[in-house]
Amino acid sequence: GQNIDQPTEMTATEGAIVQINCTYQTSGFNGLFWYQQHAGEAPTFLSYNVLDGLEEKGRFSSFLSRSKGYSYLLLKELQMKDSASYLCAVMDSNYQLIWGAGTKLIIKP
Amino acid sequence: DTAVSQTPKYLVTQMGNDKSIKCEQNLGHDTMYWYKQDSKKFLKIMFSYNNKELIINETVPNRFSPKSPDKAHLNLHINSLELGDSAVYFCASSHDNQGAGELFFGEGSRLTVL
Repeated sequence: GQNIDQPTEMTATEGAIVQINCTYQTSGFNGLFWYQQHAGEAPTFLSYNVLDGLEEKGRFSSFLSRSKGYSYLLLKELQMKDSASYLCAVMDSNYQLIWGAGTKLIIKP
Repeated sequence: DTAVSQTPKYLVTQMGNDKSIKCEQNLGHDTMYWYKQDSKKFLKIMFSYNNKELIINETVPNRFSPKSPDKAHLNLHINSLELGDSAVYFCASSHDNQGAGELFFGEGSRLTVL
């Protein structure tokens, strides 16, 4: 079966760095997405990786290793507004998105 | 202008009733989706339409019936509502159903079945 694993919850301190990991097993691979979802709101797109390596976008970076079935989202200079759930999703060979359950990130002052 | 809009945002109803949620996107996208997010926050795809044609129909009770009158609209009708249908239903759209196109989500419709 297809599976996306990510930690249920993480806690970090304002101003620090946090890395949220995602491992996947899917039928084929057409890219990996990270979405941010604040409580009570819709998910919003953060990043897309289809080739191995690191993609940097401001304070957020996303890394992919296809051979390891592994990705991480790196958040730097954490702000209180970064408290949210972070969803990892993989597009399989049929172009269907397989979603992880999300990682709830709690930022403390 | 809201890119993906869905109505109503909140819906409280009794078991056994029939209800509809409407969705419209003004992005010119070809593909639209309905997702269900339950209390455990898992996003589950329900349906996907590409240019008004059904392309994904996951294992969803046939009490749920999507309708796409045109590619900018995808409505969800639910018959004989059950307690387990309580969830947040998200509509989303993407440029097409293949490739790197990100999903744009509506604000969600929170359905509570009493």
